[in-house]
This record gives sequence, C-alpha cells and structure tokens, in this order.
Amino acid sequence: DTEVTQTPKHLVMGMTNKKSLKCEQHMGHRAMYWYKQKAKKPPELMFVYSYEKLSINESVPSRFSPECPNSSLLNLHLHALQPEDSALYLCASSQSGQGAKNIQYFGAGTRLSVL
Amino acid sequence: GEDVEQSLFLSVREGDSSVINCTYTDSSSTYLYWYKQEPGAGLQLLTYIFSNMDMKQDQRLTVLLNKKDKHLSLRIADTQTGDSAIYFCAEKTGGSYIPTFGRGTSLIVHP
Repeated sequence: DTEVTQTPKHLVMGMTNKKSLKCEQHMGHRAMYWYKQKAKKPPELMFVYSYEKLSINESVPSRFSPECPNSSLLNLHLHALQPEDSALYLCASSQSGQGAKNIQYFGAGTRLSVL
Repeated sequence: GEDVEQSLFLSVREGDSSVINCTYTDSSSTYLYWYKQEPGAGLQLLTYIFSNMDMKQDQRLTVLLNKKDKHLSLRIADTQTGDSAIYFCAEKTGGSYIPTFGRGTSLIVHP
C-alpha cells in the first residue's frame, strides 16, 4: 500500500476564513512534506517534517502553518490567505528524510481556491 | 546548482512509442525518478532508477540512463490515450531530502 490520503479534495475559502488541509499515511513513513503546485508547473516545496519535527521551511508566509500531530498525520492550517495562494496543495511522504529509501509518494492533492 | 530540463510537449499517435527526455546537471545525482500527473490529480510515481544502472524495464516502460551525458529518458511502448498526462523527471542526491523536479512534459496521445 503506497497511499497518501488528502482531505478535502476541493476547498473554496474567503480571505478572512480559517481552514485546514489534512494528510494521512499508514506506510510507517517518518518524513512528510507539503508542496504547492500551480497549473502547468512542477511542485514547489513548502515544508518538511522528519520524525514529527519541522526540518525545512522554505520561507513560507506565516499565513500557512503546518502541524504534525503524530507520525501518520500532517496538517496545514490556513488563515488570511490571498487569491494568489490558489493552487493544488500536495502532501507527500517518504520512509525517511535522506538516503536510498527516500522515494516520495504523493497524495491526490487539495485544490484550493481563495476568493 | 541543480537543474533538470525537459521539453514541454510531446504529441504521439495511439499505438506508437513515446520517448520523453530529461537532462540534469548535478553529477552527484544518485536517484532519478519519473512521475506521472493526470489532470486534477497528484503525482504518481511511475518508476525510478539508481545511478549505477543503465536501464530499467517495467512492462511498457523503459528507462535509459546515460550518466556521461547526464541524460535520462522514459520510453512508453504502445502508447494509449490513458497515457496522456504530464510527466515529471526528478533527481536527488543521496544526502538530500528533496528531489529536484523538471518542468514536466505534457504528453498528448491522439487516437
């Protein structure tokens, strides 16, 4: 099983709303990732969690707040977003952060629209 | 720095073979991946190859690696309309968390 599950699949929110994206994997992976992807572009890394600790933050604005409650779950809390934040948000996981087994498996993504 | 280049578009007829090409610059790249992304979906890992290999075959997919030229290709035999998608090449060194992705090649398969 190489499944990464993301909810919701679609989300529409206003600029004053607070919402959360969720990601779950049961592969025993210890590294989890958030990516942002605009149309026709490759995914751009936002955050990396390794063993439930934030290890990489790619200078993401504070209106995006990640959380890793346990080794299977990853959340992305959204507050006061801008229309340009509309994108596909992808979660990925891998066995560990580095080395030979770091093959990333992606979820289907959450399509976010900010009005 | 790391850079991964792909052509943006490829159009083929159904039943023909497709070859998607990728070049990379980091000579210490250890792992190379091909991902497929269908419209509105996430990235699906198709296959990967280690840098100590020249070729890997998996059913209709053949990956060729030319380390000297830093060139990677993905051949899809008997291409079907369901193969229409964006294909991303990605590379990673052993010490890195994160793969570097190419811009993606949009494969269009005509009936």
